[in-house]
Amino acid sequence: DTAVSQTPKYLVTQMGNDKSIKCEQNLGHDTMYWYKQDSKKFLKIMFSYNNKELIINETVPNRFSPKSPDKAHLNLHINSLELGDSAVYFCASRKGVSSYEQYFGPGTRLTVT
Amino acid sequence: AQSVSQHNHHVILSEAASLELGCNYSYGGTVNLFWYVQYPGQHLQLLLKYFSGDPLVKGIKGFEAEFIKSKFSFNLRKPSVQWSDTAEYFCAALHGGYNKLIFGAGTRLAVHP
Repeated sequence: DTAVSQTPKYLVTQMGNDKSIKCEQNLGHDTMYWYKQDSKKFLKIMFSYNNKELIINETVPNRFSPKSPDKAHLNLHINSLELGDSAVYFCASRKGVSSYEQYFGPGTRLTVT
Repeated sequence: AQSVSQHNHHVILSEAASLELGCNYSYGGTVNLFWYVQYPGQHLQLLLKYFSGDPLVKGIKGFEAEFIKSKFSFNLRKPSVQWSDTAEYFCAALHGGYNKLIFGAGTRLAVHP
């Protein structure tokens, strides 16, 4: 009964490649997020979608493109991967404007070589 | 801009010692504050949260935090730590206008038996 799931859990790829990370939540939540956790464990928000609509877009290179086919899914596509993209990417979801608690997925560890 | 700072980056304790992790936020308006824990190799889990009301908040696993508005602080406490509390602890504030969590840099806690 995983609430927020991500695939893959680990991703190792070479510079210049294009890759995608998928996120799904079965909580019926309206809002989903992508966070990046760097090698020093610092967590920073990247994007947020509410009912498939982009509501937060932090200063992220445009090589990163989120896509939300429906409100239960938020995928992250990364073009032309760079070494600095190596990090753990966490997906999260929140019920809606009346709820502030975010539920996090298990994370995807991306390693770019 | 809203920010969250955690004073201690690395804390080492013996079992049964008392714990206090500092957290300060910079935001003068309504604040929603959280403490998350990340056990080694795992995703973030919510320990406790403060929205309003009693400034002393009790969370899971014997943790509590006190919101002191005059000090812009939300310190995490536990009277007696266990080896299983070894983890990374993150303080976060909700930036209400943008519905995004602003995280502190995290505190790595190591508890020795």
